[in-house]
Amino acid sequence: AQSVTQLGSHVSVSEGALVLLRCNYSSSVPPYLFWYVQYPNQGLQLLLKYTSAATLVKGINGFEAEFKKSETSFHLTKPSAHMSDAAEYFCAVNSGGYQKVTFGTGTKLQVIP
Amino acid sequence: ETGVTQSPTHLIKTRGQQVTLRCSSQSGHNTVSWYQQALGQGPQFIFQYYREEENGRGNFPPRFSGLQFPNYSSELNVNALELDDSALYLCASSLRLAGGRSTDTQYFGPGTRLTVL
Repeated sequence: AQSVTQLGSHVSVSEGALVLLRCNYSSSVPPYLFWYVQYPNQGLQLLLKYTSAATLVKGINGFEAEFKKSETSFHLTKPSAHMSDAAEYFCAVNSGGYQKVTFGTGTKLQVIP
Repeated sequence: ETGVTQSPTHLIKTRGQQVTLRCSSQSGHNTVSWYQQALGQGPQFIFQYYREEENGRGNFPPRFSGLQFPNYSSELNVNALELDDSALYLCASSLRLAGGRSTDTQYFGPGTRLTVL
């Protein structure tokens, strides 16, 4: 079984401030973990993924995430928020024999000018 | 390289009707997964098709069915539509390698917004 919990359905940060979006996972086998971003009325775009290589994963648009097995976490960070980062972010896990991906409920990021 | 495309973009149906949604996978990909995203929620896995066969299914009733064609494109069919079927339906394609689990990512299309009245 696999599951994802995203803490905080809404997060607000000031432009230029640190972005931290939290994700905890549950998986019976070593997981693959993903962060996706969704802009209004659009599909999902991959930000980054963890596939058991380096625990610190760098993605697009300056985002990165760190896999911490002891904490079963995969939090997403960005040092300095930009207005264009305002969107909904989804953490996802894949630990099935087939590529079933389980998504969290999402975190809406608001960037305040 | 062509990305994942879906049609139609929007669709309005009434309860009891049937609907077919279409997805063209990204060039080189052999696997298609379908997700339902209700308003304000994360995507929920419906099923996956690999080599024209269903290869895993989420918690959805049999009135949700699908097909995958030799060119790896796919259809999602929903019969006897209910109001709760109103959602964004997302298709994702990926490459599954021989021998089991693939590390490749699922790439999503823009979705089809279905409204059931």
